[in-house]
Amino acid sequence: DTAVSQTPKYLVTQMGNDKSIKCEQNLGHDTMYWYKQDSKKFLKIMFSYNNKELIINETVPNRFSPKSPDKAHLNLHINSLELGDSAVYFCASSHHTGGVVIKNIQYFGAGTRLSVL
Amino acid sequence: DAKTTQPPSMDCAEGRAANLPCNHSTISGNEYVYWYRQIHSQGPQYIIHGLKNNETNEMASLIITEDRKSSTLILPHATLRDTAVYYCIVRVARGYGNKLVFGAGTILRVKS
Repeated sequence: DTAVSQTPKYLVTQMGNDKSIKCEQNLGHDTMYWYKQDSKKFLKIMFSYNNKELIINETVPNRFSPKSPDKAHLNLHINSLELGDSAVYFCASSHHTGGVVIKNIQYFGAGTRLSVL
Repeated sequence: DAKTTQPPSMDCAEGRAANLPCNHSTISGNEYVYWYRQIHSQGPQYIIHGLKNNETNEMASLIITEDRKSSTLILPHATLRDTAVYYCIVRVARGYGNKLVFGAGTILRVKS
């Protein structure tokens, strides 16, 4: 069983469209993240949710809206897609206790490759 | 978080030990050294972490110098499947705001 799964794996779309990427983890973790890896291969944190509550928001355009319906899911919705949004988006999860990170080990999904044309 | 410095790339012969260095001269007392790797087209994968003692698990060993300003990740018998980008990250092990800050990493090429 895949621990952190993202769908879709590939997403090709036109500029201006709205799209969503879904993430689910079956590790029983209570904290989930979205990272973006651009063409230069740098991985950068975008958002983090702990028990459905936003705890990290790293100066991401408000066209990006994460949604966590429960602690096993963190979806990323992107409005009005732009060429610069083309990247690989990774979801990750980790375990906290009472909001405090334990061991700081994150488990990543396989990524969603978004291409905006 | 303390900054880390790694060589951009390294080569290693298959079956030999791969030793990947990392400098973190500004590390503070409560910061751990973490290693992750990213195999092509996959998500990053946790390898190992440590505070000041050397650590070993089924994947690798981590050697941290006594002054904690540098460390070395050792893959004892590198295989072709170990070809990846290896990231050294310094971070507190407990606390809020648990983001990982990835640098450029070291591209390790294992060759037959």
